[in-house]
Amino acid sequence: AQSVTQLGSHVSVSEGALVLLRCNYSSSVPPYLFWYVQYPNQGLQLLLKYTTGATLVKGINGFEAEFKKSETSFHLTKPSAHMSDAAEYFCAVSLYNQGGKLIFGQGTELSVKP
Amino acid sequence: ETGVTQSPTHLIKTRGQQVTLRCSSQSGHNTVSWYQQALGQGPQFIFQYYREEENGRGNFPPRFSGLQFPNYSSELNVNALELDDSALYLCASSSRTSGGPEYFGPGTRLLVL
Repeated sequence: AQSVTQLGSHVSVSEGALVLLRCNYSSSVPPYLFWYVQYPNQGLQLLLKYTTGATLVKGINGFEAEFKKSETSFHLTKPSAHMSDAAEYFCAVSLYNQGGKLIFGQGTELSVKP
Repeated sequence: ETGVTQSPTHLIKTRGQQVTLRCSSQSGHNTVSWYQQALGQGPQFIFQYYREEENGRGNFPPRFSGLQFPNYSSELNVNALELDDSALYLCASSSRTSGGPEYFGPGTRLLVL
């Protein structure tokens, strides 16, 4: 079965510091991997996705993630946190042969201190 | 702007009632999927529709059903509501080849009393 684990339900960083949100997955076939952000009382916004090709994926708002097959990881990073980055972040995996069904992690709440 | 809209935004029902939630997908997207997000949890896949046919279903009972219309809009119906059905229901649209939803709507928050 496929699954996603996000390490750390809550991460706190100072403004300007590096953001690192961890995601590990399990999959028996090459996965498609996604990061979404959710602001309070809103739906999900796609930050970035990996399907095939280059393993370092750049997304919106300065975020990027690297697919590491050997580590089954897809960690999300941003060099310098901004107050507006405070939100809930979800990692998800989709299997190309399952029509786009997403399996989500439990989420990581990011707090940014001034 | 994503273009995925959902209605209503909030809904209160009592146990045993039935509810219909609606979703209009992003223009040009022929695949719509529905997710349930309980408080403090990640979204869980309910089902997906492609060209008006159900195309994948998660671990939800048959009282959760759906429709997709020729214009690719969609409905989620839940019968015999239970207290545990209280959640945020998210609709997402994508193209067939995108590998997963690209655009989510703002959701409908359902409270079952």
